[in-house]
Amino acid sequence: KQEVTQIPAALSVPEGENLVLNCSFTDSAIYNLQWFRQDPGKGLTSLLLIQSSQREQTSGRLNASLDKSSGRSTLYIAASQPGDSATYLCAVMTGANSKLTFGKGITLSVRP
Amino acid sequence: GAVVSQHPSWVICKSGTSVKIECRSLDFQATTMFWYRQFPKQSLMLMATSNEGSKATYEQGVEKDKFLINHASLTLSTLTVTSAHPEDSSFYICSARVLAGGRWAQETQYFGPGTRLLVL
Repeated sequence: KQEVTQIPAALSVPEGENLVLNCSFTDSAIYNLQWFRQDPGKGLTSLLLIQSSQREQTSGRLNASLDKSSGRSTLYIAASQPGDSATYLCAVMTGANSKLTFGKGITLSVRP
Repeated sequence: GAVVSQHPSWVICKSGTSVKIECRSLDFQATTMFWYRQFPKQSLMLMATSNEGSKATYEQGVEKDKFLINHASLTLSTLTVTSAHPEDSSFYICSARVLAGGRWAQETQYFGPGTRLLVL
Protein backbone atom coordinates (compact mmCIF):
# COMPACT_ATOMS: atom_id res chain seq x y z
CA LYS A 1 0.00 0.00 0.00
CA GLN A 2 1.40 3.36 -1.05
CA GLU A 3 2.13 5.81 1.76
CA VAL A 4 3.12 9.43 1.29
CA THR A 5 4.89 11.35 4.05
CA GLN A 6 5.50 15.05 4.34
CA ILE A 7 7.66 16.35 7.15
CA PRO A 8 7.52 18.76 8.90
CA ALA A 9 3.79 19.35 9.22
CA ALA A 10 4.29 23.09 9.52
CA LEU A 11 6.97 25.59 8.58
CA SER A 12 7.38 29.30 9.24
CA VAL A 13 9.95 31.38 7.36
CA PRO A 14 10.66 35.10 6.84
CA GLU A 15 9.79 36.67 3.54
CA GLY A 16 12.44 36.34 0.86
CA GLU A 17 13.84 33.05 2.04
CA ASN A 18 14.36 30.17 -0.36
CA LEU A 19 12.86 26.99 0.99
CA VAL A 20 12.50 23.29 0.28
CA LEU A 21 9.48 21.14 1.05
CA ASN A 22 10.05 17.41 1.19
CA CYS A 23 7.85 14.48 0.21
CA SER A 24 8.61 10.77 0.43
CA PHE A 25 6.67 7.75 -0.81
CA THR A 26 7.04 4.05 -0.11
CA ASP A 27 6.24 2.47 -3.48
CA SER A 28 8.51 3.71 -6.25
CA ALA A 29 6.29 2.26 -8.99
CA ILE A 30 4.50 5.53 -9.64
CA TYR A 31 3.09 7.04 -12.82
CA ASN A 32 3.55 10.62 -11.73
CA LEU A 33 3.84 12.92 -8.75
CA GLN A 34 2.01 16.18 -8.22
CA TRP A 35 2.37 19.11 -5.90
CA PHE A 36 -0.79 20.96 -4.93
CA ARG A 37 -1.54 24.11 -3.00
CA GLN A 38 -4.53 24.33 -0.69
CA ASP A 39 -5.66 27.56 0.91
CA PRO A 40 -7.69 27.33 4.15
CA GLY A 41 -11.18 25.99 3.50
CA LYS A 42 -10.54 25.76 -0.22
CA GLY A 43 -9.99 23.12 -2.84
CA LEU A 44 -6.72 22.12 -4.44
CA THR A 45 -4.70 23.96 -7.06
CA SER A 46 -2.25 21.89 -9.06
CA LEU A 47 1.21 23.48 -9.04
CA LEU A 48 3.46 21.01 -10.80
CA LEU A 49 3.15 17.52 -12.23
CA ILE A 50 6.23 15.36 -12.79
CA GLN A 51 5.94 12.24 -14.91
CA SER A 52 7.78 9.14 -13.71
CA SER A 53 10.28 9.54 -16.53
CA GLN A 54 11.10 13.13 -15.62
CA ARG A 55 13.50 14.49 -13.04
CA GLU A 56 12.06 17.94 -12.47
CA GLN A 57 9.51 20.54 -13.49
CA THR A 58 9.63 24.31 -13.12
CA SER A 59 6.97 26.97 -13.00
CA GLY A 60 7.95 30.49 -12.08
CA ARG A 61 9.50 30.50 -8.62
CA LEU A 62 8.63 26.84 -8.10
CA ASN A 63 10.79 23.89 -8.96
CA ALA A 64 9.88 20.30 -8.18
CA SER A 65 12.29 17.40 -8.43
CA LEU A 66 11.66 13.68 -8.42
CA ASP A 67 13.96 10.83 -7.45
CA LYS A 68 11.76 7.84 -8.07
CA SER A 69 14.27 5.20 -7.05
CA SER A 70 14.68 6.68 -3.60
CA GLY A 71 11.02 7.61 -3.25
CA ARG A 72 11.57 11.33 -2.77
CA SER A 73 10.44 14.62 -4.19
CA THR A 74 11.20 18.17 -3.23
CA LEU A 75 9.39 21.40 -3.95
CA TYR A 76 11.70 24.38 -4.05
CA ILE A 77 10.19 27.83 -3.58
CA ALA A 78 12.46 30.73 -4.41
CA ALA A 79 12.21 34.13 -2.80
CA SER A 80 9.17 33.25 -0.70
CA GLN A 81 6.37 35.78 -0.32
CA PRO A 82 3.53 36.12 2.22
CA GLY A 83 1.15 35.11 -0.57
CA ASP A 84 2.85 31.72 -0.67
CA SER A 85 1.37 30.95 2.76
CA ALA A 86 -0.80 27.85 2.30
CA THR A 87 -0.75 24.10 2.73
CA TYR A 88 1.31 22.23 0.14
CA LEU A 89 0.24 18.69 -0.63
CA CYS A 90 2.22 16.04 -2.43
CA ALA A 91 0.38 13.22 -4.22
CA VAL A 92 1.52 10.23 -6.22
CA MET A 93 -0.39 8.29 -8.85
CA THR A 94 0.03 4.53 -8.67
CA GLY A 95 -1.79 1.33 -9.42
CA ALA A 96 -3.86 -0.08 -12.21
CA ASN A 97 -6.66 2.34 -11.41
CA SER A 98 -4.31 5.33 -11.35
CA LYS A 99 -5.37 6.58 -7.97
CA LEU A 100 -3.82 9.51 -6.20
CA THR A 101 -2.40 9.00 -2.73
CA PHE A 102 -1.88 12.21 -0.79
CA GLY A 103 0.43 13.23 2.00
CA LYS A 104 -0.94 15.21 4.94
CA GLY A 105 0.61 18.38 3.64
CA ILE A 106 2.99 21.02 4.93
CA THR A 107 1.43 24.23 6.21
CA LEU A 108 3.72 27.08 5.21
CA SER A 109 3.62 30.50 6.77
CA VAL A 110 5.74 33.25 5.22
CA ARG A 111 6.19 36.17 7.63
CA PRO A 112 6.36 39.69 6.16
CA GLY B 1 -7.40 25.51 -17.30
CA ALA B 2 -10.28 23.16 -16.72
CA VAL B 3 -12.78 24.17 -14.04
CA VAL B 4 -14.66 21.95 -11.65
CA SER B 5 -17.44 23.38 -9.51
CA GLN B 6 -19.17 22.04 -6.42
CA HIS B 7 -22.49 22.96 -4.94
CA PRO B 8 -23.18 23.79 -2.22
CA SER B 9 -19.95 25.19 -0.85
CA TRP B 10 -21.12 24.57 2.68
CA VAL B 11 -24.09 22.94 4.31
CA ILE B 12 -25.37 22.52 7.85
CA CYS B 13 -27.95 19.85 8.51
CA LYS B 14 -29.58 17.99 11.34
CA SER B 15 -28.54 14.47 12.23
CA GLY B 16 -30.56 11.91 10.29
CA THR B 17 -31.13 14.00 7.18
CA SER B 18 -29.65 13.39 3.76
CA VAL B 19 -27.42 15.83 1.93
CA LYS B 20 -26.65 15.94 -1.79
CA ILE B 21 -23.44 17.48 -3.13
CA GLU B 22 -23.02 18.21 -6.84
CA CYS B 23 -19.77 18.18 -8.78
CA ARG B 24 -19.67 19.60 -12.29
CA SER B 25 -16.97 19.86 -14.91
CA LEU B 26 -17.69 23.21 -16.54
CA ASP B 27 -15.72 23.20 -19.75
CA PHE B 28 -14.77 19.62 -20.38
CA GLN B 29 -16.25 16.15 -20.28
CA ALA B 30 -15.06 14.06 -17.37
CA THR B 31 -15.03 10.35 -17.99
CA THR B 32 -14.03 9.77 -14.39
CA MET B 33 -14.80 11.67 -11.22
CA PHE B 34 -13.39 11.09 -7.77
CA TRP B 35 -14.79 11.91 -4.34
CA TYR B 36 -12.47 12.65 -1.45
CA ARG B 37 -12.99 13.45 2.21
CA GLN B 38 -10.63 15.55 4.26
CA PHE B 39 -10.67 15.88 8.03
CA PRO B 40 -8.85 18.80 9.71
CA LYS B 41 -5.07 18.53 9.52
CA GLN B 42 -5.43 15.29 7.61
CA SER B 43 -4.77 14.16 4.08
CA LEU B 44 -7.38 13.79 1.39
CA MET B 45 -8.77 10.28 1.51
CA LEU B 46 -10.30 8.81 -1.63
CA MET B 47 -13.83 7.62 -1.00
CA ALA B 48 -14.91 6.42 -4.40
CA THR B 49 -14.29 6.56 -8.12
CA SER B 50 -17.17 7.02 -10.49
CA ASN B 51 -17.31 6.53 -14.22
CA GLU B 52 -20.10 7.97 -16.31
CA GLY B 53 -22.93 5.51 -16.75
CA SER B 54 -21.61 2.84 -14.42
CA LYS B 55 -21.61 2.09 -10.70
CA ALA B 56 -19.07 3.77 -8.48
CA THR B 57 -16.12 1.87 -7.07
CA TYR B 58 -15.78 2.45 -3.34
CA GLU B 59 -12.61 2.34 -1.31
CA GLN B 60 -12.28 -0.13 1.50
CA GLY B 61 -14.11 1.02 4.59
CA VAL B 62 -16.47 3.40 2.77
CA GLU B 63 -20.13 2.44 3.06
CA LYS B 64 -21.69 2.51 -0.39
CA ASP B 65 -25.21 2.58 1.04
CA LYS B 66 -24.38 5.63 3.10
CA PHE B 67 -22.48 7.56 0.45
CA LEU B 68 -24.51 7.27 -2.74
CA ILE B 69 -22.73 8.36 -5.89
CA ASN B 70 -24.40 8.98 -9.22
CA HIS B 71 -22.44 9.92 -12.33
CA ALA B 72 -25.37 10.64 -14.61
CA SER B 73 -23.54 12.52 -17.33
CA LEU B 74 -20.05 13.40 -18.49
CA THR B 75 -20.25 16.70 -16.64
CA LEU B 76 -22.10 15.86 -13.43
CA SER B 77 -21.54 13.57 -10.47
CA THR B 78 -23.46 13.71 -7.21
CA LEU B 79 -22.61 12.46 -3.74
CA THR B 80 -25.51 11.93 -1.34
CA VAL B 81 -24.73 11.46 2.32
CA THR B 82 -27.70 9.51 3.61
CA SER B 83 -28.85 9.73 7.23
CA ALA B 84 -25.95 11.99 8.08
CA HIS B 85 -24.48 11.91 11.56
CA PRO B 86 -22.02 14.27 13.29
CA GLU B 87 -19.10 11.98 12.45
CA ASP B 88 -19.84 12.61 8.77
CA SER B 89 -18.94 16.26 9.25
CA SER B 90 -16.00 16.86 6.98
CA PHE B 91 -14.71 18.64 3.88
CA TYR B 92 -15.78 16.80 0.73
CA ILE B 93 -13.82 17.44 -2.46
CA CYS B 94 -14.49 16.10 -5.92
CA SER B 95 -12.12 15.93 -8.84
CA ALA B 96 -12.54 15.18 -12.50
CA ARG B 97 -10.26 13.62 -15.04
CA VAL B 98 -10.44 13.12 -18.77
CA LEU B 99 -8.73 10.31 -20.61
CA ALA B 100 -6.72 11.53 -23.57
CA GLY B 101 -5.20 9.08 -26.00
CA GLY B 102 -5.47 6.27 -23.48
CA ARG B 103 -2.75 7.76 -21.30
CA TRP B 104 -3.91 8.49 -17.76
CA ALA B 105 -0.41 9.40 -16.70
CA GLN B 106 -0.45 12.47 -18.90
CA GLU B 107 -3.55 13.89 -17.28
CA THR B 108 -3.88 15.80 -14.09
CA GLN B 109 -6.97 15.74 -11.96
CA TYR B 110 -8.93 18.96 -11.70
CA PHE B 111 -10.28 19.58 -8.24
CA GLY B 112 -13.43 21.32 -7.13
CA PRO B 113 -13.44 23.96 -4.39
CA GLY B 114 -14.87 21.55 -1.82
CA THR B 115 -18.03 21.35 0.25
CA ARG B 116 -17.93 21.73 3.99
CA LEU B 117 -20.56 19.61 5.72
CA LEU B 118 -21.53 20.14 9.34
CA VAL B 119 -23.99 17.72 10.86
CA LEU B 120 -25.54 18.85 14.11
